[in-house]
Amino acid sequence: RKEVEQDPGPFNVPEGATVAFNCTYSNSASQSFFWYRQDCRKEPKLLMSVYSSGNEDGRFTAQLNRASQYISLLIRDSKLSDSATYLCAVMDSSYKLIFGSGTRLLVRP
Amino acid sequence: DGGITQSPKYLFRKEGQNVTLSCEQNLNHDAMYWYRQDPGQGLRLIYYSQIVNDFQKGDIAEGYSVSREKKESFPLTVTSAQKNPTAFYLCASSIQDTEAFFGQGTRLTVV
Repeated sequence: RKEVEQDPGPFNVPEGATVAFNCTYSNSASQSFFWYRQDCRKEPKLLMSVYSSGNEDGRFTAQLNRASQYISLLIRDSKLSDSATYLCAVMDSSYKLIFGSGTRLLVRP
Repeated sequence: DGGITQSPKYLFRKEGQNVTLSCEQNLNHDAMYWYRQDPGQGLRLIYYSQIVNDFQKGDIAEGYSVSREKKESFPLTVTSAQKNPTAFYLCASSIQDTEAFFGQGTRLTVV
């Protein structure tokens, strides 16, 4: 079983749609959780950290469920510019940072 | 400007040659990471380092070597033992258990 798993997609949605991604992790001792965005042939850029209480940044909401060992990302009112690959990342107590394989999002006009 | 610098951006290597990829950061970050990304795939961890003079193997360390002699620098050597080295290599750094930030990457091609 992979340490961090994501549905590869692609998710093909119209502008204005709400889309949700999930990511599961296998190490129950994981401490820190993140969502990154990666555009084609570019480096990943941090979208948001994920806190136990959940957190929101504009149209983006991230949540953590430690009991079920998954994190989620919700994007509301999708824009064309949201088209990208979304990577979840999980860090353990030794600072080992593992990424999922990414979920591709295509937002169409 | 503060950040993470990877060089070169593009690198061509002949089969059987070792090559070293540079990663430098001036963010005073403790932890540094090397990842490999193949087309259409996610990031796979090669090596990571929490502090100077210490590093750990990631999931795909075979055929690679690293050093961490200075806090700012974490070079990656792709050895001839790496059978399929053509890939996009990404370096990242973080302050302990906080978010990691990436350099722009090095595209290595074996010719």
